[in-house]
Amino acid sequence: GIQVEQSPPDLILQEGANSTLRCNFSDSVNNLQWFHQNPWGQLINLFYIPSGTKQNGRLSATTVATERYSLLYISSSQTTDSGVYFCAGANTGNQFYFGTGTSLTVIP
Amino acid sequence: ETGVTQTPRHLVMGMTNKKSLKCEQHLGHNAMYWYKQSAKKPLELMFVYNFKEQTENNSVPSRFSPECPNSSHLFLHLHTLQPEDSALYLCASSQEGAQGYTFGSGTRLTVV
Repeated sequence: GIQVEQSPPDLILQEGANSTLRCNFSDSVNNLQWFHQNPWGQLINLFYIPSGTKQNGRLSATTVATERYSLLYISSSQTTDSGVYFCAGANTGNQFYFGTGTSLTVIP
Repeated sequence: ETGVTQTPRHLVMGMTNKKSLKCEQHLGHNAMYWYKQSAKKPLELMFVYNFKEQTENNSVPSRFSPECPNSSHLFLHLHTLQPEDSALYLCASSQEGAQGYTFGSGTRLTVV
């Protein structure tokens, strides 16, 4: 399967700060998602982004498929952004491989 | 209801018990998945069903037994589990050829 490396593993931010999370893939992917896992375990789909750039409010994501990485930008972070962020990629069918996540804590 | 619903949310069971986890999706998707999430480990794909047919079994022990009676329902039957099976079990669904997964809220399983 595809190996997925996420960095940093842990991140602590002051409320209002910006951050960039990175995801590297060992193989090319043609499906890629970013998720946020809330404290109750629910995985919320943030972006489906196999290539290019997308924005949704304070969040945006960029995937450079030819270089096998994706970035998630969080601007003006809020305490409600805390949780674990996962990226996942697939190259055949629709079976996604996940990274170990970035654990984000935003402090007031 | 919309989305993917998992029940129960929490389950504590003894090693000799038999229990089942349920997943139901209301999205009209044709593929469903079971994932296991243990602390500090990536999500592990357990089983995949496409159009009710099992297409993937990632070397999962036989004490876990999936069942997919139709494209909207997925079960995970549990028996004689071990304490190391304690984890968050997540169900997801997708539409073949469309965009990505939708996850349920998960079942937090504790084996005592």
